[in-house]
This record gives sequence, C-alpha cells and structure tokens, in this order.
Amino acid sequence: DAKTTQPPSMDCAEGRAANLPCNHSTISGNEYVYWYRQIHSQGPQYIIHGLKNNETNEMASLIITEDRKSSTLILPHATLRDTAVYYCIVRGVGDDKLIFGTGTRLQVFP
Amino acid sequence: EPEVTQTPSHQVTQMGQEVILRCVPISNHLYFYWYRQILGQKVEFLVSFYNNEISEKSEIFDDQFSVERPDGSNFTLKIRSTKLEDSAMYFCASTAGVLLQGYTFGSGTRLTVV
Repeated sequence: DAKTTQPPSMDCAEGRAANLPCNHSTISGNEYVYWYRQIHSQGPQYIIHGLKNNETNEMASLIITEDRKSSTLILPHATLRDTAVYYCIVRGVGDDKLIFGTGTRLQVFP
Repeated sequence: EPEVTQTPSHQVTQMGQEVILRCVPISNHLYFYWYRQILGQKVEFLVSFYNNEISEKSEIFDDQFSVERPDGSNFTLKIRSTKLEDSAMYFCASTAGVLLQGYTFGSGTRLTVV
C-alpha cells in the first residue's frame, strides 16, 4: 500500500500557484519523497524528489517539513497543461519500485 | 529530451493469444520496469529488471508473464495466454540510477483482450 495520503482533488486558477499537500507520517530516515504526475492516461512523468531539504527545479518546488512527515509540491504559475493527477510517493534505499496511490487530481481552470 | 518508446500504442488480441509488448528504454539507463494501469485504477508495479535478470516482481507477475532484453536496446513484456482481465495500459519505464533519479515512463501500450 501507498505510504502517503493526498487529497483526492484540488482546483487552481490559471496563473496562480498550485500547492499540493502530501502526508507521509510514517516516513523513515532513508526514504525519499518523489512526485510524479499523469496527464490523462499518459505515462507518469517525474517532477521532483527530495530527502529533507527543499528542492526546486524547472517544473516545481518541493517543500518538506522539518519533521519530514509532510510535504508540499508547488507549481508556481499553473497552466491549463498542468491539469493532471499528481502522485506523492515515498521510496527508500533498496526499494526497487514505485508504489502509486490514488493521487490528487488537479484541475486548472481559466 | 530522451524518451522511452513503446510499441504498439494499441493492441487488440483474442483471449488465450500471446502478446509481446515492446519498449526501447533510454540508451544509458540500466534499470527497467513494467507497470500497468487498469482503466480507472491505480498504476501498479509488475516487474523490475537489472543486469539481465529480474530484480523484483509483484504478485500480478505470474507465470503467464515474462520479460526479456533480447539485445542492447529493446525490453519486452510477454503475456503467454491473455485473459480478459489483462486488458490495461502497460507502461515501460527506465532509470539510470535507482534512488537518486526519477524514472522516465513511456507513453504506454493499451492492451485490449476480447
């Protein structure tokens, strides 16, 4: 089973920041937080990952709380093309697979 | 940007027939995976493959399934005798490093068993 909890759906206005939360209260010290998204039955797309420090790349920012029990994915300026299901996945050293939950369906509206 | 390529994009087959789904992972990647997604359900792990052997497989990946890397570029998933419940999207993925990099997924093969 997935080790994360995410809201089933969220809305965001185009141009605004989308903040997608994820709870992973049972995360252990050697487990990373990964974010992927899936646009309308396409293959999942890697977005970002982190261990304990905040991370930023060209797609998004990842904010991990100090206790590492939750994180937030931030899309700074959402566009209509960011409408997708976003998956938060916890994965550790030695884990050879991703376990997908049901994710958050983000709807970006004009 | 490098891509994982899957063929065919859609395959229709009769129940009991064998199918082979094909994938070309990114050329310098070393770890390969198959996932599937039944319509409306979660993405499910099937199998991982490294150094020419299976490193892990799920309960779904029973004796009807097999994987192969027949040459330096292709990675295939074979279903020996398809069942109606095998109908799903099948995604291939690859990565250069297991932990410190994300996976790159292909766009999938939609398998329909009739």
